[in-house]
This record gives sequence, C-alpha cells and structure tokens, in this order.
Amino acid sequence: QITLTQQAESLWVSPGEKVSITCRASQSLLYTDGKHYLSWYQQRPGQTTKALIYHASIRTDGVPTRFIGSGSGTEFTLSIEDVQPEDIALYYCLQTLKKPYTFGAGTKLELK
Amino acid sequence: EVQLQESGPGLVKPSQSLSLTCSVTGYSITSNYWGWIRKFPGNKMEWMGYISYSGSTSYNPSLKSRISITRDTSKNQFFLQLNSVTTEDTATYYCASVVLWVLFDYWGQGVMVTVSS
Repeated sequence: QITLTQQAESLWVSPGEKVSITCRASQSLLYTDGKHYLSWYQQRPGQTTKALIYHASIRTDGVPTRFIGSGSGTEFTLSIEDVQPEDIALYYCLQTLKKPYTFGAGTKLELK
Repeated sequence: EVQLQESGPGLVKPSQSLSLTCSVTGYSITSNYWGWIRKFPGNKMEWMGYISYSGSTSYNPSLKSRISITRDTSKNQFFLQLNSVTTEDTATYYCASVVLWVLFDYWGQGVMVTVSS
C-alpha cells in the first residue's frame, strides 16, 4: 500500500504568518489522466472534518483562497497564508490513487 | 447540503460486533458512494470501506472478512458492522460521502467507540 509521511507532528504559528505542511508519498500519485490523487482535510474540535483540496491543488467549494495546495509526483504541500485563529486544527493528507486509500499521520497546527 | 450523522453504542465488548448507522440528509444514498473511516487514539486515520449507489462494496484488506457495509435506501441510511472486535478497534468512527477516487467531501461528526470488557 502507499504510505504517506507527514513529517511534522506539530507546527507552531502566529496569526498572520504563512505555514506549510508537507506530505510525502511512497510512490508517485500521478495517474495517466495527468491528475494527482492527493487531497487535504482539516479537523477542528467540535466541527465536522472539512475537505480542503483535491487533485493536489483544487480548492473545494467555499475554502478560502489562503489555503493553497501544491506539489507533484511524491511531494505535496498545503500552505496557509495569513493564518487565522480558526485555522488552528489537525491537517491530514489522503491518497486515493490506489486502494487501500491511505492517510498521512496528521499535522497539528498550534498557536505560538 | 449533505449532512451525515453517525449513531451507535459507545461501548462494545471484545469478541462482539460493532454496529453503527450513518443517517444521510440532503442527498440520496442511491447516488454517489458512501464510506467509513476511523481515527485511532493518537490520531492515525484508516479508510475502512465504502458502499456504492448500486450497493456494491469495497473494503480495506486490513479488515479482511470482519467488515460489512450495508444500506437501507428507504431510510437513506448505511451501516457498518465490524465483527470480532478487540481493544485495537477502539476509535472514533466517521461516515462520509465519497467522490470515488477523488475525495471524501462531506463527513459526519464521528462517534467514539470503546472496546472494553
């Protein structure tokens, strides 16, 4: 199965800063259709899990433009520009290229 | 908007079966795909499986023959059954709508299940 590695268990950030969360796959997530099968999710206490990004860089409806997905092949990044207090959450990457679908270990964004 | 809500017992004894219900509003389960994901203590997430609009299923091989996902279209609900549970199955269980091969776009709040005697 494909392993996703989110190196940072926690990242500390101040409001207004930019932060990047990385996700590395054990094999390329690029399919023959030219799309990467990597998505990002946000979990906040008391809220439902929110899908932020799919195909590595496409924001889902209503996701603020400060959330930017990038990367290709095996290396992917979720960047949050101008971090807001409501962005403090747990973030996961997920690959859906091959079953079983697999998640990264999660990166917790915390306030400095 | 699609809304999902998990329900079921919060405590299950080892060797017994875990049974959960996902109630869906705002969308018919006879369209799309519908899945189960769990989050273990320590935050590890695992995709468990899904059921399609036609009733076909796909499961994580790690769960082998212990898992079954079924549905009741008249109630717009789908179900998770996990047999022969152990303490290792203690987790928060989520249901979600699935855009096949792309993402889990809507999630329930999750239900915490503890396996303990």
